Amino acid sequence: EDQVTQSPEALRLQEGESSSLNCSYTVSGLRGLFWYRQDPGKGPEFLFTLYSAGEEKEKERLKATLTKKESFLHITAPKPEDSATYLCAVQAITDSWGKLQFGAGTQVVVTP
Amino acid sequence: NAGVTQTPKFRVLKTGQSMTLLCAQDMNHEYMYWYRQDPGMGLRLIHYSVGEGTTAKGEVPDGYNVSRLKKQNFLLGLESAAPSQTSVYFCASSRLAGETQYFGPGTRLLVL
Repeated sequence: EDQVTQSPEALRLQEGESSSLNCSYTVSGLRGLFWYRQDPGKGPEFLFTLYSAGEEKEKERLKATLTKKESFLHITAPKPEDSATYLCAVQAITDSWGKLQFGAGTQVVVTP
Repeated sequence: NAGVTQTPKFRVLKTGQSMTLLCAQDMNHEYMYWYRQDPGMGLRLIHYSVGEGTTAKGEVPDGYNVSRLKKQNFLLGLESAAPSQTSVYFCASSRLAGETQYFGPGTRLLVL
């Protein structure tokens, strides 16, 4: 059974204090790994898709990386506006319908 | 483009009442999905649709029904609401399986 585990559950950072979020996954062949950002009371907002081990994607202060068993979301010199819950999801290559298996998320709070 | 919209934003129901949640997308996407989000559990797939008139069960389908009579709309029905269905419901759509899913703003449902 496909499984996604995110750690830590919550992370409190000072502005400018870089850190990383982890997404460990078990899937019967990975089609894609997706990162989303979710603000309180809003729907998830797409950030990145990673398809193969070694792949990296960047957007502003965020950088996502992928290995065969996990993905990391690195936040460099975060600002208060980076505060959000970050969700990771995997899609199995055996799934024809695009179904996503989500982790529970990491809640990030960045204080000034 | 409005993207994915959901109606209503918030609703309170009494146990046993019925209601329909509406999801609409203006991106001409084939695939549409209904998720529920509960604290500490991440997003779980309820039902999904791979095209007009075609629906299928996801991970947690019990107590819900869906219909996709028009390509742009995906309806989620609760025939007899239960307190366990108190949750935040998100709709998502994607152009094809394996492509990015775009989420709506959510419907918060409270069942008393």
